[in-house]
Amino acid sequence: EADIYQTPRYLVIGTGKKITLECSQTMGHDKMYWYQQDPGMELHLIHYSYGVNSTEKGDLSSESTVSRIRTEHFPLTLESARPSHTSQYLCASSGQNYEQYFGPGTRLTVT
Amino acid sequence: GENVEQHPSTLSVQEGDSAVIKCTYSDSASNYFPWYKQELGKRPQLIIDIRSNVGEKKDQRIAVTLNKTAKHFSLHITETQPEDSAVYFCAAALGGGADGLTFGKGTHLIIQP
Repeated sequence: EADIYQTPRYLVIGTGKKITLECSQTMGHDKMYWYQQDPGMELHLIHYSYGVNSTEKGDLSSESTVSRIRTEHFPLTLESARPSHTSQYLCASSGQNYEQYFGPGTRLTVT
Repeated sequence: GENVEQHPSTLSVQEGDSAVIKCTYSDSASNYFPWYKQELGKRPQLIIDIRSNVGEKKDQRIAVTLNKTAKHFSLHITETQPEDSAVYFCAAALGGGADGLTFGKGTHLIIQP
């Protein structure tokens, strides 16, 4: 079934650790996105990619980095996690019609 | 950059009544306006969208209207049901959304039985 997958779904980690949030999609889409959402609040775009080897920064300044080596895979990395990074991270993808579909999210807590 | 304002932040309606959520955007070049529904603990779900070459779009009980001159768009839900209770987000984008979406702050819709 075509879908967007994110792992882990929940992560509790200590300050200073390096973490990678995984996102993969079987939608056949070329464009992928990362959004940050605090509970009950709006979504903010932090990174996006038009396709392989393309990465762009979004509207919200973020200390995270992304890579796009394969069409279906768009991981997000935090080199040194801090409590201010505690949030939900949502991955999305879109195809030719630009409709964006979201993954289930990763809820990150940095202690 | 684009700025999207959404009102109201909370809306309570009786089951069977209609609900209207309004959004305004700042960038007159924006041309894609989707609406998402997010239930507690779930991912945002695209429920309807409209592009700037259309003034209104309808899908069963849900409709969206767009006024490009005034730079505002609205979500209309008729004959509301308990399962309509959720947070609804509007968004706006340039270039059809290829560079990502700018979201409003959300409306918590409560359907009273």
